[in-house]
Amino acid sequence: EDQVTQSPEALRLQEGESSSLNCSYTVSGLRGLFWYRQDPGKGPEFLFTLYSAGEEKEKERLKATLTKKESFLHITAPKPEDSATYLCAVKTGTASKLTFGTGTRLQVTL
Amino acid sequence: NAGVMQNPRHLVRRRGQEARLRCSPMKGHSHVYWYRQLPEEGLKFMVYLQKENIIDESGMPKERFSAEFPKEGPSILRIQQVVRGDSAAYFCASSPSTDTGELFFGEGSRLTVL
Repeated sequence: EDQVTQSPEALRLQEGESSSLNCSYTVSGLRGLFWYRQDPGKGPEFLFTLYSAGEEKEKERLKATLTKKESFLHITAPKPEDSATYLCAVKTGTASKLTFGTGTRLQVTL
Repeated sequence: NAGVMQNPRHLVRRRGQEARLRCSPMKGHSHVYWYRQLPEEGLKFMVYLQKENIIDESGMPKERFSAEFPKEGPSILRIQQVVRGDSAAYFCASSPSTDTGELFFGEGSRLTVL
């Protein structure tokens, strides 16, 4: 059974304080690793797709990286508007059926 | 281009009643997924549908839950004889193909069972 574990469960940062979120996975045949952002009371919003070890993607203050066992979401100089829950998910089959981790709740304060 | 539309956003039912949740995918998307999110838990896959077909229902409870995606109209997730444990946020997502893991989610329907 595919497993996705995210850490830490919660993270509190001051504005400008860079950090990383971790997503470790155990799957048979990875066909993609995905990062989503979820704001309170909203549905998840797609951020990145990573397909192979060594791949990196960037968007504004976020950068996602992938190894054979885990992915990191690096947040550089975060702002309060980056506060959200960040979800990691894996795809192993042919359909877009994703297995999600429980997320990291990020709070960025002034 | 409207996003994924779910309704109702909030639904309150008493134990034993039926709940019907609706989802209209993004225009041009023929693949619909339903996920359930329990408090303090991650999103759990329930069912994957294409027009008029259930492709994968491996995440659906065997009893009381059913889903459809008719040729015309929205996808519907139906929960019969609800119990308190069914209280959760139910999210619908759509995609244009199966090649992508980029799902477009609705804002969810929050079911509360009294």
